[in-house]
Amino acid sequence: AQSVTQPDIHITVSEGASLELRCNYSYGATPYLFWYVQSPGQGLQLLLKYFSGDTLVQGIKGFEAEFKRSQSSFNLRKPSVHWSDAAEYFCAVGQNYGGATNKLIFGTGTLLAVQP
Amino acid sequence: EPEVTQTPSHQVTQMGQEVILRCVPISNHLYFYWYRQILGQKVEFLVSFYNNEISEKSEIFDDQFSVERPDGSNFTLKIRSTKLEDSAMYFCASRASREQFFGPGTRLTVL
Repeated sequence: AQSVTQPDIHITVSEGASLELRCNYSYGATPYLFWYVQSPGQGLQLLLKYFSGDTLVQGIKGFEAEFKRSQSSFNLRKPSVHWSDAAEYFCAVGQNYGGATNKLIFGTGTLLAVQP
Repeated sequence: EPEVTQTPSHQVTQMGQEVILRCVPISNHLYFYWYRQILGQKVEFLVSFYNNEISEKSEIFDDQFSVERPDGSNFTLKIRSTKLEDSAMYFCASRASREQFFGPGTRLTVL
């Protein structure tokens, strides 16, 4: 069965510092991978996605993520965090059905706090 | 840019009442989904829908839940007799290809 693990429930970083949020997945084949961000009381905004090809993907707001098949990981990074990045971040894996995704399985989320 | 819309944004209901949550997927999408997020928890898959039938459902999606595409634009989630534990944010999503596009969600509060 598919699963997604985000080992860090809560992370605090200083503004301007670098950030890495961890995501590990369990899936039998090459998955489709996603990172979403959610501000309090808001919906899910897609930051970036990986389907195939280059394992380093660029997203919006200066975020990037790297797919490492050997480690079953898809960690999210940002070189310099801004106060507005404070939010909850969800990693998700999608089943790869012959080039299409079916349901998404989400991790439990990492709540990011940014200190001034 | 086309987007998924959901109404209402917030629904308050009494326990035991029926509620219908509405979604308008992106117009050329063929695959539709409902997800649920209980406050402070992760987003959970409820059901997927394609070609006018359910393609997959989770164990959460019991007989109290149903989905329907009553016309060419709307996609609804009905909860027949709401329970306190149904209080959550409900997200609709649709896709044409590999990426799912999420709506802003409906916050359901059951009193």
